[in-house]
Amino acid sequence: AQRVTQPEKLLSVFKGAPVELKCNYSYSGSPELFWYVQYSRQRLQLLLRHISRESIKGFTADLNKGETSFHLKKPFAQEEDSAMYYCALGPSTGNQFYFGTGTSLTVIP
Amino acid sequence: EAGVAQSPRYKIIEKRQSVAFWCNPISGHATLYWYQQILGQGPKLLIQFQNNGVVDDSQLPKDRFSAERLKGVDSTLKIQPAKLEDSAVYLCASSLGTSGGADGELFFGEGSRLTVL
Repeated sequence: AQRVTQPEKLLSVFKGAPVELKCNYSYSGSPELFWYVQYSRQRLQLLLRHISRESIKGFTADLNKGETSFHLKKPFAQEEDSAMYYCALGPSTGNQFYFGTGTSLTVIP
Repeated sequence: EAGVAQSPRYKIIEKRQSVAFWCNPISGHATLYWYQQILGQGPKLLIQFQNNGVVDDSQLPKDRFSAERLKGVDSTLKIQPAKLEDSAVYLCASSLGTSGGADGELFFGEGSRLTVL
């Protein structure tokens, strides 16, 4: 069965420190993975997708098929990075997007 | 560009009452999704439309939930009768692409927060 696991509900880091938000997935086929973000009082929006291999707002994520992981990383956290982050699997997995439970990131000034 | 519009933003009802939510997707988006997000959980897909046809409604509690997308544009999601466990944010999203493929970007509305007392 398809599943996305985000083990950390809450994560706090100091400004300027590196940050890593963990995501593990369960899917037997070729996955498509995404990170969505929700800033305070804003709607959920796409941050990045693995197929584009791009860096958005300093964030990167590498798909590791061996470890079935898609961790989100940023070398130097900024206060404006404080938000709720969701890892998602899909839509090649039979049309659905499967979302993780989310990680709330707080960057401490 | 106008985003996905949803209404109402907030609704409080008593159990066994009914409620309806409305969604207007981004113009030209073929695919429309309704998600349920319970506090502390990630969004869970309830139903997915492609144009005006249902692609996936496997997780829709059909004894009480119904949804339609007439003319392949706006959509409504109805709950009748509501239960306490239906308290959640109901998110509507749309995407340009059809099922599958690498399009992948969902555009979300602000959500409709339902409280069932």
